Amino acid sequence: EDKVVQSPLSLVVHEGDTVTLNCSYEVTNFRSLLWYKQEKKAPTFLFMLTSSGIEKKSGRLSSILDKKELFSILNITATQTGDSAVYLCAVGSSGNTPLVFGKGTRLSVIA
Amino acid sequence: SAVISQKPSRDICQRGTSLTIQCQVDSQVTMMFWYRQQPGQSLTLIATANQGSEATYESGFVIDKFPISRPNLTFSTLTVSNMSPEDSSIYLCSVQTTGGGGEQYFGPGTRLTVT
Repeated sequence: EDKVVQSPLSLVVHEGDTVTLNCSYEVTNFRSLLWYKQEKKAPTFLFMLTSSGIEKKSGRLSSILDKKELFSILNITATQTGDSAVYLCAVGSSGNTPLVFGKGTRLSVIA
Repeated sequence: SAVISQKPSRDICQRGTSLTIQCQVDSQVTMMFWYRQQPGQSLTLIATANQGSEATYESGFVIDKFPISRPNLTFSTLTVSNMSPEDSSIYLCSVQTTGGGGEQYFGPGTRLTVT
């Protein structure tokens, strides 16, 4: 059975800190790994990773995938209170199948 | 990407009643999904909405409780039937783009409270 495990489950940091969120997975016929940010209701898409070792970057957020060790990390530098959210990791397999989601990491950034 | 709208955005319903949630996409998509997110929990897939055929339900979800329609490639509905307080959740419509890595995008969600 496909599985996605995120750690830590929750994290509290101060503004300006750097955080690393972890995602490990087991999936048959891996296709992609995706990161989402969920603040209120709907998850918003952050990154999609398909190849090992290639960093995706958007402002203070970056992510990288290791397909050999079956994990990904999401880094947020110089955190701000607006980064407070649940960060979801999801893995897709080939074919028309839905993503498998982890339980998420709840990040709280305090001023 | 895809632009997805959902109606209603929230509702408060009485126990025993039913609510139908609508999902509209701005482009034709093959794959549409319905998720539930109970308070403090992660996303749980309810079913895949198939165009022109019956939805494919995940373990623990049945058609009688969550009937789904998918009349075309841009629209779907999810009905939550005979509601109980345990059905209080956020319900999310999601679509998967074709090609690429299969990104999924989410609608804004429907927050349902059952009293």
